[in-house]
Amino acid sequence: EAGVAQSPRYKIIEKRQSVAFWCNPISGHATLYWYQQILGQGPKLLIQFQNNGVVDDSQLPKDRFSAERLKGVDSTLKIQPAKLEDSAVYLCASSSTTTWESSYEQYFGPGTRLTVT
Amino acid sequence: RKEVEQDPGPFNVPEGATVAFNCTYSNSASQSFFWYRQDCRKEPKLLMSVYSSGNEDGRFTAQLNRASQYISLLIRDSKLSDSATYLCVVNLPPTSGTYKYIFGTGTRLKVLA
Repeated sequence: EAGVAQSPRYKIIEKRQSVAFWCNPISGHATLYWYQQILGQGPKLLIQFQNNGVVDDSQLPKDRFSAERLKGVDSTLKIQPAKLEDSAVYLCASSSTTTWESSYEQYFGPGTRLTVT
Repeated sequence: RKEVEQDPGPFNVPEGATVAFNCTYSNSASQSFFWYRQDCRKEPKLLMSVYSSGNEDGRFTAQLNRASQYISLLIRDSKLSDSATYLCVVNLPPTSGTYKYIFGTGTRLKVLA
């Protein structure tokens, strides 16, 4: 089965510019996650979708970050305007789960490495 | 106190050695536990789930100690290919109808020839 796809793989932008990342989850996976992973740290959840609804965006800096999953499949994450501290790898993951299941595997995409200069 | 804590390492061990990592968690209501492996500049991949009774997969053994709130990963007969970062993941009970994954910072392992 095809894995989680992400694009672009690398992006370099200047601070105050905007950037968008795209994710295509594994077919049939209802839950989609966006994580931010700063060098030397573990992934930090930014936002979690169940189908096309947001179930957790408590750690998303909403003044500059936005995300959508309009048709319950693909998703985009946008940063506008970018700051130097946004330099990180942005990982998309998906899982086949209902809201109340606790034991399930997340499948990660290869990530987008963002450098803000 | 962080929700999930790991020793960042690195743990440098010779080939064939046995190495163990611990991971502590702060929320006693945590439901599920996992170990993920992340190779350099790659995405995390599930290594194994951690069950209350402990579980083993080849050279890897995972255990859960709910009383002391930690999980462990034991790797026997280390191979060069085991060199990676091992991420501890804890699943918190739902607050808004959904479980939440919390990742630790990871423990770096380097297996030396």
